[in-house]
Amino acid sequence: AQSVTQLGSHVSVSEGALVLLRCNYSSSVPPYLFWYVQYPNQGLQLLLKYTTGATLVKGINGFEAEFKKSETSFHLTKPSAHMSDAAEYFCAVSEEYGTDKLIFGTGTRLQVFP
Amino acid sequence: EAQVTQNPRYLITVTGKKLTVTCSQNMNHEYMSWYRQDPGLGLRQIYYSMNVEVTDKGDVPEGYKVSRKEKRNFPLILESPSPNQTSLYFCASKVAGAGGDTQYFGPGTRLTVL
Repeated sequence: AQSVTQLGSHVSVSEGALVLLRCNYSSSVPPYLFWYVQYPNQGLQLLLKYTTGATLVKGINGFEAEFKKSETSFHLTKPSAHMSDAAEYFCAVSEEYGTDKLIFGTGTRLQVFP
Repeated sequence: EAQVTQNPRYLITVTGKKLTVTCSQNMNHEYMSWYRQDPGLGLRQIYYSMNVEVTDKGDVPEGYKVSRKEKRNFPLILESPSPNQTSLYFCASKVAGAGGDTQYFGPGTRLTVL
């Protein structure tokens, strides 16, 4: 069965510092991988996704993630945090074939300090 | 504007009083899904629908019902709500059969059952 693990339920960084949010998945087949962001009192918004092709994926708001099959990881990074990045971030996986179901991680809340 | 709408956004009710949360999408998506979000648990799928009149259980279906009589609408029904159904609920939609396609989320419905 597929699963997603997000290490660290809370991450705090200073404004301007590197943001690194970790995501590991388990899947028996090549997966599709997603990062969603949830701002306070809002729904989930897609940040970026990996389907096929280039393993380094760029998303909105300066975020990017790299699919590493050997490490079963899809960590999210941003070189320089901004106060507006404070939100909850969810990693999710779906299998390549035959399903539309998304399996979510438990989320990581990012705090950005001035 | 392409969107998923949910109503109501906030609801406080009492145990046993039947309620319906509506969900509508304007993107002509076949696949629709309901999730609940609880602290530390991420998003868990309640029910999903692959198309009109085709629905199936997700991971946490107990205490919920759904229907899909029209392609655009996918209401969530709680026939006898209980306090353990207090949660944040999200409706989502996407193109069916394409695992890598983006799932679009509504703004959420915060339900409190007293």
